[in-house]
Amino acid sequence: QKEVEQNSGPLSVPEGAIASLNCTYSDRVSQSFFWYRQYSGKSPELIMSIYSNGDKEDGRFTAQLNKASQYVSLLIRDSQPSDSATYLCAPAGGGSYIPTFGRGTSLIVHP
Amino acid sequence: DVKVTQSSRYLVKRTGEKVFLECVQDMDHENMFWYRQDPGLGLRLIYFSYDVKMKEKGDIPEGYSVSREKKERFSLILESASTNQTSMYLCASSFPDRGGEQYFGPGTRLTVT
Repeated sequence: QKEVEQNSGPLSVPEGAIASLNCTYSDRVSQSFFWYRQYSGKSPELIMSIYSNGDKEDGRFTAQLNKASQYVSLLIRDSQPSDSATYLCAPAGGGSYIPTFGRGTSLIVHP
Repeated sequence: DVKVTQSSRYLVKRTGEKVFLECVQDMDHENMFWYRQDPGLGLRLIYFSYDVKMKEKGDIPEGYSVSREKKERFSLILESASTNQTSMYLCASSFPDRGGEQYFGPGTRLTVT
């Protein structure tokens, strides 16, 4: 059983700062990695996917992957109060490619 | 836009009742999933289906069954609801080679009294 570890938080950052969200996973089979954002009372929404080592940038979001260290992170630059949500890490691999979701990190961006 | 809809946003049922939760997606996705989400436990996979009439158990299938008679519709059935099945239930769908790119419905908050 794959294990996905995320710090539950809350991680509190001031508006305009960089928020850094981290995730480690236990198996070496995972080949693709996904970050979901979940606002309070809402369902998860896919915001980033990354498949190879290194960085992937999309607007204010950067996903970083290090397969050797079994570590994936999400950086949010110029954090806004609207980024306040829970962020779920979800590695996927093996034949089914069905992800295992971490329990999520709560991010609070205060004005 | 991908749309995944669920039959109810809130549902209250009594212990022992049979409960049906329905999910419909309009993106012609082969894969469909049912999760429950509880505080502190995260998202846990109950069942998934990769084709019509095909189903696979997830991590916590006990007490649940599923039905997929049409590609766009995936139903979760609680044969005899119990209080420990009070939870948020989330349906999702994806293409078969993109299982990690899931599109979620709005969820059903089920309370069993």
